[in-house]
Amino acid sequence: EVQLVESGGDLVKPGGSLRLSCAASGFSYSNAWMTWVRQTPGKGLEWVGRIESFISGGTIDYAAPVKGRFTISRDDSKTTLYLQMNSLKTEDSAVYYCTTDDSKIWGQGTLVTVSS
Amino acid sequence: DIQLTQSPSFLSASVGDRVTITCRASQGVGSFLVWLQQKPGKAPKVLIYTASTLQSGVPSRFSGSGSGTEFTLTISSLQPEDFATYYCQQVHDYPRTFGGGTKVDVK
Repeated sequence: EVQLVESGGDLVKPGGSLRLSCAASGFSYSNAWMTWVRQTPGKGLEWVGRIESFISGGTIDYAAPVKGRFTISRDDSKTTLYLQMNSLKTEDSAVYYCTTDDSKIWGQGTLVTVSS
Repeated sequence: DIQLTQSPSFLSASVGDRVTITCRASQGVGSFLVWLQQKPGKAPKVLIYTASTLQSGVPSRFSGSGSGTEFTLTISSLQPEDFATYYCQQVHDYPRTFGGGTKVDVK
């Protein structure tokens, strides 16, 4: 079964850190360009960033609001995508989804709440 | 960044109705447009990619058309399971961007 399963969402204080994971199965993960997308009631769906497959060069791009604070990485041996989030702000509160870059496969999402 | 403007934002319809949603891009995206469906508490699900290609398993009552800056999602005969929010997304350039969504509700 083709599947993406996120984990790691939690309640964290402003300025804190959190690492999200996304376990992939059922498709050729090592060849896939992977993306993180977040969703809030107020701002809708927002692209966070993307990592190319290593065979394509592994380039990583970030959305402006998270650049310098978030880091995307991948471990193809574990077919897992990661999102390291540092210096978290209240406006980072959202449901975070991992997806394939073509948007054909989505995880179920994991909730991140940044609040004191 | 490419802005996507969906209309309408909200649509009331009945089972059996033909429904049309429009997505306009601030600059050309070729055919690199995806339509997504989202139900409450669930992740978005792809319906159509490359503007008009139906994703495997999606009912044929869904169709997409357009290229460049104007795109349309049509549901030929609305079914009870189609009441949801629909989003367009451009996959032409980075950052990827999404439309603001169209909520299809029961009339």
